Amino acid sequence: SAVISQKPSRDICQRGTSLTIQCQVDSQVTMMFWYRQQPGQSLTLIATANQGSEATYESGFVIDKFPISRPNLTFSTLTVSNMSPEDSSIYLCSVVQLAEAEQFFGPGTRLTVL
Amino acid sequence: AQRVTQPEKLLSVFKGAPVELKCNYSYSGSPELFWYVQYSRQRLQLLLRHISRESIKGFTADLNKGETSFHLKKPFAQEEDSAMYYCALSNTGGFKTIFGAGTRLFVKA
Repeated sequence: SAVISQKPSRDICQRGTSLTIQCQVDSQVTMMFWYRQQPGQSLTLIATANQGSEATYESGFVIDKFPISRPNLTFSTLTVSNMSPEDSSIYLCSVVQLAEAEQFFGPGTRLTVL
Repeated sequence: AQRVTQPEKLLSVFKGAPVELKCNYSYSGSPELFWYVQYSRQRLQLLLRHISRESIKGFTADLNKGETSFHLKKPFAQEEDSAMYYCALSNTGGFKTIFGAGTRLFVKA
């Protein structure tokens, strides 16, 4: 199984600022995803992080607001830009190793925007 | 539209009682169905998937294509089963997973 770490684990930010969340995996993985879990709600897929190319965003999410990088097979970042209180959520990194055909989730980053 | 519905936000049962967490889905095609569990202060983890047709921690789930349901069942609930349970689906062979709203299971002593 893949072991995923995220930094920071939590943060409190002022509106209008940006925060970059890092996701590190202990092994090379095929697919990496970023999810958002707003308070009291389920997980929503933000985008698929593609190695060496632009991320693939789901409906309702755009690159200007959530720029994503994935420079290699074990690391990705998600930036939450120009934050507002509505961005207060838990952001989760998720990976898939196709050989195992299983999806693993990171511990999440709890973001509060004041 | 692709959707996963978990009608119960909270389910409370006594230890030793049977438990059933309901899940219905809407999907065009042949999805893969999953149950994920999140115990207190732990990360989300896979509990079981329909293609495995196995029992994990005493839990089973049968895919009913006619009723588009994938209910999670356990004949005798244990206190350690208390957790948040998410039903989820993805396209076959892919992992763009859609999650239900989740059901919090509380097993009382």
